[in-house]
Amino acid sequence: KAGVTQTPRYLIKTRGQQVTLSCSPISGHRSVSWYQQTPGQGLQFLFEYFSETQRNKGNFPGRFSGRQFSNSRSEMNVSTLELGDSALYLCASSSRQASTGELFFGEGSRLTVL
Amino acid sequence: KNEVEQSPQNLTAQEGEFITINCSYSVGISALHWLQQHPGGGIVSLFMLSSGKKKHGRLIATINIQEKHSSLHITASHPRDSAVYICAVISQGGSEKLVFGKGTKLTVNP
Repeated sequence: KAGVTQTPRYLIKTRGQQVTLSCSPISGHRSVSWYQQTPGQGLQFLFEYFSETQRNKGNFPGRFSGRQFSNSRSEMNVSTLELGDSALYLCASSSRQASTGELFFGEGSRLTVL
Repeated sequence: KNEVEQSPQNLTAQEGEFITINCSYSVGISALHWLQQHPGGGIVSLFMLSSGKKKHGRLIATINIQEKHSSLHITASHPRDSAVYICAVISQGGSEKLVFGKGTKLTVNP
């Protein structure tokens, strides 16, 4: 069974640009959740999608958005990038809603904002 | 004060030692996850528990809901156990989102 796939793995952007990250969950999983990891703040929850609906959202500005497609693949978008958005962005898939099911993480997308 | 506190922040052990990592939280929870993150970023879910104790190989996780405390134990530690161990809780009621501890960096020397 293929694991969770995140693309791209590494990317460099400049301030003001926007970025889109992709997450393909394990086949059959309907929940995809997104997390930001920085050295200062650690891991923080961004949002969760289940069956194409956003179920929960963390405390991030509106520049952070996401969506989920009918095949459960999910994308997150960050607009008007700031230096502080440099981070490892991780997604996790689950067969159940993330709060109640085992999580399977991707390798992450490492974003550097210059 | 963070909702989830882990101790210690850093831990160095010799191969074969018994390891304990602690997690305390300040809110009512519906479940707690223990995660392992190796250098490079990949995260593996070790346990999800809401009561009692779970065991998988050399790893044991316990939780005491009344005391708002969980522990992760590693028996017969090995250098390949070197990683960051992260505790995450799902708070009860309202928004069901994961809140993470800052992690415990474990180094096991041969």
